[in-house]
Amino acid sequence: DAGITQSPRYKITETGRQVTLMCHQTWSHSYMFWYRQDLGHGLRLIYYSAAADITDKGEVPDGYVVSRSKTENFPLTLESATRSQTSVYFCASSEPMGETQYFGPGTRLLVL
Amino acid sequence: GQQVMQIPQYQHVQEGEDFTTYCNSSTTLSNIQWYKQRPGGHPVFLIQLVKSGEVKKQKRLTFQFGEAKKNSSLHITATQTTDVGTYFCAGGTSYGKLTFGQGTILTVHP
Repeated sequence: DAGITQSPRYKITETGRQVTLMCHQTWSHSYMFWYRQDLGHGLRLIYYSAAADITDKGEVPDGYVVSRSKTENFPLTLESATRSQTSVYFCASSEPMGETQYFGPGTRLLVL
Repeated sequence: GQQVMQIPQYQHVQEGEDFTTYCNSSTTLSNIQWYKQRPGGHPVFLIQLVKSGEVKKQKRLTFQFGEAKKNSSLHITATQTTDVGTYFCAGGTSYGKLTFGQGTILTVHP
């Protein structure tokens, strides 16, 4: 049971570069979420998706783009990375929305 | 928008002492969930409370949901070193969104 996976687990990039973080789940959950975790801020929702081709903004969407062409994948793209986007990024899924969320292992991103 | 405040941000205890973290919402919640994140790990679901005044126990952990469904607490009796980590509450609304608190980082000294 693979569950929910994220790749890469660690990423170092430079300011201005485009970066894509991948998220894949094997449960066929309808809902998927992207959070960033920063000390003192807890988990902040970036974007979420209710189904394939349906996405919506969360609390901190600026500078991020998502897509969901398939139910099992929910990639997050930083179009032009900034230092303020250095963080730990978690993907999660649930079924239905509002119920238990299952988190991936996280991607630790450093923007130089 | 909805805000969920969690206190304290940090808590250091000696092994065997009790620990409590509190969660307060600016709006009435439909449910409250609690998650634990071990150092270097990812959040893992612990429990969900739905009813006003509900109390649930998991071994040494006691979870409460306030009568007004706007606050909640997690109490750990006789902490152990395995309890270290960050504890998050997450408030759920009737339309399905979860809002996470900032988390309480628990350190247990042996």
